[in-house]
Amino acid sequence: QSALTQPASVSGSPGQSITISCTGTSSDVGGYNYVSWYQQHPGKAPKLMIYDVSNRPSGVSNRFSGSKSGNTASLTISGLQAEDEADYYCSSYTSSSTPYVVFGGGTKLTVL
Amino acid sequence: EVQLVESGGGLVQPGGSLRLSCAASGFTVSSNYMSWVRQAPGKGLEWVSVIYSGGSTYYADSVKGRFTISRDNSKNTLYLQMNSLRAEDTAVYYCARAVPFSYDAFDIWGQGTMVTVSS
Repeated sequence: QSALTQPASVSGSPGQSITISCTGTSSDVGGYNYVSWYQQHPGKAPKLMIYDVSNRPSGVSNRFSGSKSGNTASLTISGLQAEDEADYYCSSYTSSSTPYVVFGGGTKLTVL
Repeated sequence: EVQLVESGGGLVQPGGSLRLSCAASGFTVSSNYMSWVRQAPGKGLEWVSVIYSGGSTYYADSVKGRFTISRDNSKNTLYLQMNSLRAEDTAVYYCARAVPFSYDAFDIWGQGTMVTVSS
């Protein structure tokens, strides 16, 4: 099983907001502000959407936002659009020996 | 243009070896933290290895002792030497650049190269 826990799937209608959770431990998510979120469309490489918990890389829509509380990080997508339908992965630095980066199992977002 | 282009994947028998290459353009490999991340068919992402700008290297337990990450500064290229390959190493392998000062934020990814370990 993955080191970080994500829901297998979430769904929402266009224009709505959804939140994806990512639960870890004090050795990863809870211990550091090194949490990232990736979007992956089928057959494509992952795309960085959020890093360091809440920072957006240049070019990423401000509809995407990140936060963290304790051992759980969250990705919120507001104003859902059809092109947001994809798999989403969280990641975190971990101090519990190797691996040095742990990923969540991924969440399939369906836009209804 | 800033980009990474992987090559070297293919079909290999269990116990065999393969070397993956990742050619960078638009930035300097040796000045960045560079990682390999893999994704088994239909599965999630798994971090494999990192090489720091200073040259230190780290590996996931699942590949430690079998895989070696390296770089050729003159060619601005990252490598992953994979030995003693197993069926469970079958995956798409991506090279990725880490955002400066962030360990797990990979902002530039290659297109991926498929490695299939099968007899």
